[in-house]
Amino acid sequence: KAGVTQTPRYLIKTRGQQVTLSCSPISGHRSVSWYQQTPGQGLQFLFEYFSETQRNKGNFPGRFSGRQFSNSRSEMNVSTLELGDSALYLCASKTSGTGQETQYFGPGTRLLVL
Amino acid sequence: GENVEQHPSTLSVQEGDSAVIKCTYSDSASNYFPWYKQELGKGPQLIIDIRSNVGEKKDQRIAVTLNKTAKHFSLHITETQPEDSAVYFCAASTGRRALTFGSGTRLQVQP
Repeated sequence: KAGVTQTPRYLIKTRGQQVTLSCSPISGHRSVSWYQQTPGQGLQFLFEYFSETQRNKGNFPGRFSGRQFSNSRSEMNVSTLELGDSALYLCASKTSGTGQETQYFGPGTRLLVL
Repeated sequence: GENVEQHPSTLSVQEGDSAVIKCTYSDSASNYFPWYKQELGKGPQLIIDIRSNVGEKKDQRIAVTLNKTAKHFSLHITETQPEDSAVYFCAASTGRRALTFGSGTRLQVQP
């Protein structure tokens, strides 16, 4: 089975712009979660989608949003980019949204905001 | 919410030695504790996990122990090899809630 894929892998944007990142989960996985990884804050949970519905949400401002499509692929959007949004954005998928299931991570999208 | 503390932040060992990384968590409802290894330029990869009904789990050179009373769990790597060098993260979750990660341990195995 193919793993979690994320596109693009690298992105450079300027302050004030918006960006959309894409994640394709492992085939058969219906839950997709997004995390932000920075040297200072570590791995922080953004949100989780399951069956096209947001199930959980982390403590991030409304500039961060996401969605999930019927094929379980997910996108996250960050509007009005700030310098502090520079980070590695990781997507993770698992079979369903419940239980103690293994979550598999993609390679991430590295976003640099200038 | 859940809070996970991880120690040490860096760990240097000689090849062949053992390495131990410790984590504590705050939410007694947490029942799932995975460990991830992250190499440079890659996403975290699950190396082992443990559930609350188990006290210890082993997979070849890697083992994890869980003490629910004390709310701490540990990763043990024996016979370390240079390819074990990476950043290791512990995490905790109640299942339906998202994973809360520790701050990471950078393990360096000196040949």
